[in-house]
Order: sequence, then structure tokens, then C-alpha cells
Amino acid sequence: AQSVTQPDIHITVSEGASLELRCNYSYGATPYLFWYVQSPGQGLQLLLKYFSGDTLVQGIKGFEAEFKRSQSSFNLRKPSVHWSDAAEYFCAVTASGTYKYIFGTGTRLKVLA
Amino acid sequence: DTAVSQTPKYLVTQMGNDKSIKCEQNLGHDTMYWYKQDSKKFLKIMFSYNNKELIINETVPNRFSPKSPDKAHLNLHINSLELGDSAVYFCASSQEGFRAGVANEQFFGPGTRLTVL
Repeated sequence: AQSVTQPDIHITVSEGASLELRCNYSYGATPYLFWYVQSPGQGLQLLLKYFSGDTLVQGIKGFEAEFKRSQSSFNLRKPSVHWSDAAEYFCAVTASGTYKYIFGTGTRLKVLA
Repeated sequence: DTAVSQTPKYLVTQMGNDKSIKCEQNLGHDTMYWYKQDSKKFLKIMFSYNNKELIINETVPNRFSPKSPDKAHLNLHINSLELGDSAVYFCASSQEGFRAGVANEQFFGPGTRLTVL
């Protein structure tokens, strides 16, 4: 079955600390992977996406993610977190030839001053 | 300019009522979606339209009826509202590009928070 798992429901980090949010997927076809961020009361905004090529992709706001096919993972990282990064983060997967996206359950990030 | 807009932003209504949520995108995209986000933030696709044609219809009660008068609009009508319909509903759009080697992200609206009393 197609699925996306974000094992961490909540993560708390101190401002300036590094961050890694985990995402694992199960998908029969070659996956196209996305990370979105949702600030309180807002819609989702794309951080970055991967569909081929270099497995380390750079996104907006200083985020990056690495696609590891052998581990079926697409973890999101940031070297130094800012207080404004506090939000809900969603990993999503789709594939060529389908209109359907599957979203993970989200990880809520809290940033301590 | 707002890329994907939804109205209303908040909707409070009584059980049994019928209500509509409107969505418009000015990105020139071919495909539009409705998602439901529950209280635990789980985001589940409900419908998708491509060039005004229904292409995804997940297991959604038939009280929910999407309508796409043109490529830029996808409205959601809900009949006989129930308590369990309370959620945030998101509209999204993407450029059709599910051809070989192309992956297009979805652009989301700000959401409509529906509360059924």
C-alpha cells in the first residue's frame, strides 16, 4: 500500500540548533517527493521537491532534504533553526502519471528561544 | 496577488444545513483539488478535477459534491452537514505535468475552517 510515515509527531529544538525531520515512504512506482510547511492558520507552502537527479535538494528558508532510495527516506534538515520555523511540516509523495498525492501525518516543530 | 483563494475563511453552521465553499486560482493551472484536514492535522484528498473533469473521487459521502464551472474554479457543496464534517478544508491547484520526468507541486489556498454545531 502507498503510504508516507512521519514518525515524529512533535519535535522541540532550541533556536540555533540543527534540525532533522524524518519521512519514510512506501510507493510502488518511482516516487516524487515533497516537503511542505504549514504555519498556524495558513495553507501549505512548498519547501522543496525531488523527482530525479542529485539526491540532495535545496529548498527555501535554508532547508534541504536527502533522498535515500535504499532506506525509502526523504529527511528534511536545517543546520540552524530560527524561531520563525515553528510550524507543522508535511512530507508528501506522488508519481508520474497520477494526480494523487499522499501526505504524511505531519510533524509539529516547536522552537525554544 | 493571491494565487489560490478560498471563501469563506470561517464557516460556522448548524447540523443539517447545506453550505458551499468556493475556490479560485489565478495560476492558469489545469488541476484543482479539495483536501480535508482533521483536528489531528491529517490531510486527506477528497476530489480532484483536471480541465473541469473529475479525476479523483475518494471515499467521500455523497453529501459532498464538487463543481468546477471552469478551470480556475472548484467549489465544494456540502448537504446535510454533520458534526464530523467539522474540519479545515483546503483547495489546491497544480499544473498538469504528470508526464515523464515532470513533478509539479501543489499550491494551497489558506483554508476554510468549517465548524458544525
